[in-house]
Amino acid sequence: DAKTTQPPSMDCAEGRAANLPCNHSTISGNEYVYWYRQIHSQGPQYIIHGLKNNETNEMASLIITEDRKSSTLILPHATLRDTAVYYCIVHPGNTPLVFGKGTRLSVIA
Amino acid sequence: DAGVTQSPTHLIKTRGQQVTLRCSPKSGHDTVSWYQQALGQGPQFIFQYYEEEERQRGNFPDRFSGHQFPNYSSELNVNALLLGDSALYLCASSFSFETQYFGPGTRLLVL
Repeated sequence: DAKTTQPPSMDCAEGRAANLPCNHSTISGNEYVYWYRQIHSQGPQYIIHGLKNNETNEMASLIITEDRKSSTLILPHATLRDTAVYYCIVHPGNTPLVFGKGTRLSVIA
Repeated sequence: DAGVTQSPTHLIKTRGQQVTLRCSPKSGHDTVSWYQQALGQGPQFIFQYYEEEERQRGNFPDRFSGHQFPNYSSELNVNALLLGDSALYLCASSFSFETQYFGPGTRLLVL
C-alpha cells in the first residue's frame, strides 16, 4: 500500500502557482520523497525528489517539512500542459515504486 | 540522448494467446523495472531486472515472465492472456537503485 495521502483533485488558474500537498507521516529516515506526474495515457514523468532539504529544478520546487511528515510540490507558473495526475511516493531506493491514487491537477485558462 | 523506448505502442490479442513487450533503457542505465497500469489505477510493480537476473518481483502470477539482455534491454512475456491483462504496460530504467525514468508504455487490449 502507498504510504502517502494526497487530495484526489485540485484546480489551479493558468499562470498561478500550483501547490500540491502530500502527507507521509510514517516516512522512515532512509526514504526519499519522489514526485512523478502522468499526463493522460503517457508514461509517468519524473519531476523531483528530496530527502530532507528543499529542492528546486527547472520543473518544480519541493518543500519538505522539518519533521519530514509532509511535503509540497510547487509548480511556480502552471500552464495548461501541467494538467496531469501527480503522484507523491516515499521510496528508499532499493524497493519498487509504490503508486497511490495521486492528485488530479486541472489547470484552468 | 534517447529516453526509455518501448515497442510496440499498441497491441491487440485474444484470450489464451501469448505476448512479448520490449523495452530499451536510457543510455547508462543498467536496471529495468516493469509495471502494469489498469485503467483508472496507479502503476503496479511486476518485476525488476538487473545484471540479466530478476532482482525483485511483485504480486503477479508466473504467467508473467521477463528477460534482460547483455545490452540491458528487456522483454516482458505474458502467457495465456486473460481479459484482465488488458492494461498499459510501463517500463522504467535506472542506474541501479537510483531514480527511475519511464517509457511511454505499451497499451495491450485482450479480447
